Amino acid sequence: DAGVTQSPTHLIKTRGQQVTLRCSPKSGHDTVSWYQQALGQGPQFIFQYYEEEERQRGNFPDRFSGHQFPNYSSELNVNALLLGDSALYLCASSGGTGSYNEQFFGPGTRLTVL
Amino acid sequence: AQSVTQPDIHITVSEGASLELRCNYSYGATPYLFWYVQSPGQGLQLLLKYFSGDTLVQGIKGFEAEFKRSQSSFNLRKPSVHWSDAAEYFCAVGASMFSGGYNKLIFGAGTRLAVHP
Repeated sequence: DAGVTQSPTHLIKTRGQQVTLRCSPKSGHDTVSWYQQALGQGPQFIFQYYEEEERQRGNFPDRFSGHQFPNYSSELNVNALLLGDSALYLCASSGGTGSYNEQFFGPGTRLTVL
Repeated sequence: AQSVTQPDIHITVSEGASLELRCNYSYGATPYLFWYVQSPGQGLQLLLKYFSGDTLVQGIKGFEAEFKRSQSSFNLRKPSVHWSDAAEYFCAVGASMFSGGYNKLIFGAGTRLAVHP
């Protein structure tokens, strides 16, 4: 079992550009959550996807959007990048929304905005 | 508002010494509480969790945590620290807009642990 995988590992963009990050959940998991971890801070919840729908959203602007595919993999899109979007983006998968199951985290994608 | 506070940003202990990392939470309902560890360049690994029942929970790598409702705390402990325990530790509370279970994790800012040989 490969666990949660994310791509790419690192990414460098310039202000105003758009970026797409990808996540493949752990085998058997159907729910994907995305978190942003700025340097020196704890992760902050962006949103969660279940059955291809956004089920819950954190305090992030509409520039942050996502998608979940029928195979449960997910993408995080960020438009009009700002310097403050530089962070480690973590994907977590679990078995079902509103569940008591552990969220398993991937290694993250390090985004740098210049 | 839901929040998690980790008062200690950085802690240094000697190898073999005991460890306690503090965590205080603010959450209106019965909390689901977690401790995660993050090593450099890696994602988060769950050490232990508390949902209900016995307030002293055992986790992996010899860690334990005690839930104290009266103090809104969930402190992490280890009796003897190993050099490989050096990492960043995050306390989190699970929250949900639905009844039962949790959807999102609310994290504290983390405590960075350094271990002296």
